[in-house]
Amino acid sequence: QVQLQESGPGLVKASQTLSLTCTVSGGSISTGGYYWSWIRQLPGKGLEWIGYIYFTGSTYYNPSLKSRVSISVDTSYNQFSLRLNSVTAADTAVYYCARDVDADAAFDIWGQGTMVTVSS
Amino acid sequence: QSALTQPASVSGSPGQSITISCTGTSSDVGRYNLVSWYQLHSGKAPKFMIYEGSQRPSGVSDRFSASKSGNTASLTISGLQAEDEADYYCCSYAGNNVYVFGTGTKVTVL
Repeated sequence: QVQLQESGPGLVKASQTLSLTCTVSGGSISTGGYYWSWIRQLPGKGLEWIGYIYFTGSTYYNPSLKSRVSISVDTSYNQFSLRLNSVTAADTAVYYCARDVDADAAFDIWGQGTMVTVSS
Repeated sequence: QSALTQPASVSGSPGQSITISCTGTSSDVGRYNLVSWYQLHSGKAPKFMIYEGSQRPSGVSDRFSASKSGNTASLTISGLQAEDEADYYCCSYAGNNVYVFGTGTKVTVL
């Protein structure tokens, strides 16, 4: 059974770069038809899709975050990663990684989520 | 893309049915049959409840059903149970490889 696990610093200073990694276990990140996403939940607010990557390296991002976001994949480690530049307190959130089936907005498997706080 | 609009809260007594709406536009919910629904319990990974508008993944109770009319998608929970108390979010494909989530609805079982 495929499982996802986020990892990375829980505290990031304002203006710096937030970096998180999602490790895929129980299956290959290179399996066709699956797209690997990052999603966040801002405190007291809803979910926000950040972007996704295919194992080939193709990426798509939320237009509102596109200038600051980068998602990469490392198939040898079965991981994909998120980098968010120039963070502010508004980027404080629970960050989830998730698997999307066929890029159909069908996030069938999620990680537990990791809280990231941006400090001044 | 603006977030899809959901009611902030919906409540019902055990055994009753409730419906959560998810209103978008003709560019997302209205254009594509790619609406999904998620259940979020605090501290747990979100659970995949519905995909492609009305399809239930294996293992999801048939008390959960969904539909769409125009720019509004809906999730219905029948035979409401205490364990259904959670936050629910819709999500829609919005074209150009972009997704948009709803504002979220807190379901309370009275």
